[in-house]
Amino acid sequence: DAEITQSPRHKITETGRQVTLACHQTWNHNNMFWYRQDLGHGLRLIHYSYGVQDTNKGEVSDGYSVSRSNTEDLPLTLESAASSQTSVYFCASSDGTWSSEQFFGPGTRLTVL
Amino acid sequence: AQKVTQAQTEISVVEKEDVTLDCVYETRDTTYYLFWYKQPPSGELVFLIRRNSFDEQNEISGRYSWNFQKSTSSFNFTITASQVVDSAVYFCALRETSGSRLTFGEGTQLTVNP
Repeated sequence: DAEITQSPRHKITETGRQVTLACHQTWNHNNMFWYRQDLGHGLRLIHYSYGVQDTNKGEVSDGYSVSRSNTEDLPLTLESAASSQTSVYFCASSDGTWSSEQFFGPGTRLTVL
Repeated sequence: AQKVTQAQTEISVVEKEDVTLDCVYETRDTTYYLFWYKQPPSGELVFLIRRNSFDEQNEISGRYSWNFQKSTSSFNFTITASQVVDSAVYFCALRETSGSRLTFGEGTQLTVNP
C-alpha cells in the first residue's frame, strides 16, 4: 500500500544545530507540504513543492529550507535550530487534482533545548 | 487572504449527546474546497470530508453530517449520538482555486465523556 513516512519520529537537539527531517511518500504525488503544529495555531504551512526542483515558501518559512530532487522525498532542514522551532512537524502529499485531499505523515516531534 | 476560524477551542460532552463543531471561512475566490480532518489522541491526521463551493447539499455519513452554507461562509460538522472514540481535535481547512495549499483553522478539541 502507498504511504507517507517521516523520520525520525522524535528528535531532541540543541540550539544552533542543523537538523533535517525526512519525508518520503510512495503515492507518486507531485505535491508535497510541510506544516508545523503548535497549540493555539493549528497547522501552519512552512514550505511546499509542486514537483521536482520546485519549492515555495509558506507562511512560516523563516529558518527552514527544503529541496526536491525526486518525486518521493521532501526533506525539511532547520539551518540553525531555535527553541521557537520546538513543535510537531507534519509532512503531507497530494496529487495534482484540485479536489484531492492531502495525505499526512505520522508527524515528527522536535524539541530544541 | 484566506482565513478559517474555529471559534470553539474546546468542547466537552457526555456520550450520546449531539455536538456541532463550527467552521467559518473567508476567501475572495468564488470557487474553493473545504475539508474536515480528525486528529485522534494518537496524533495522525485523518481526512473526513471535502466539499466544493458549488455543492451546498448537506452530507451525512453515518453519525457524521456536514452543513455547508455559502451565504454565511460556514461549513459546520455535527456528530450525532457522540461516542468516546469521537474524542479528538477536529480541523477545518480551506483551499482556494490557486494552488493546492490548505489553510487550517486552529482546531476544536472535542472530549466525549462516558
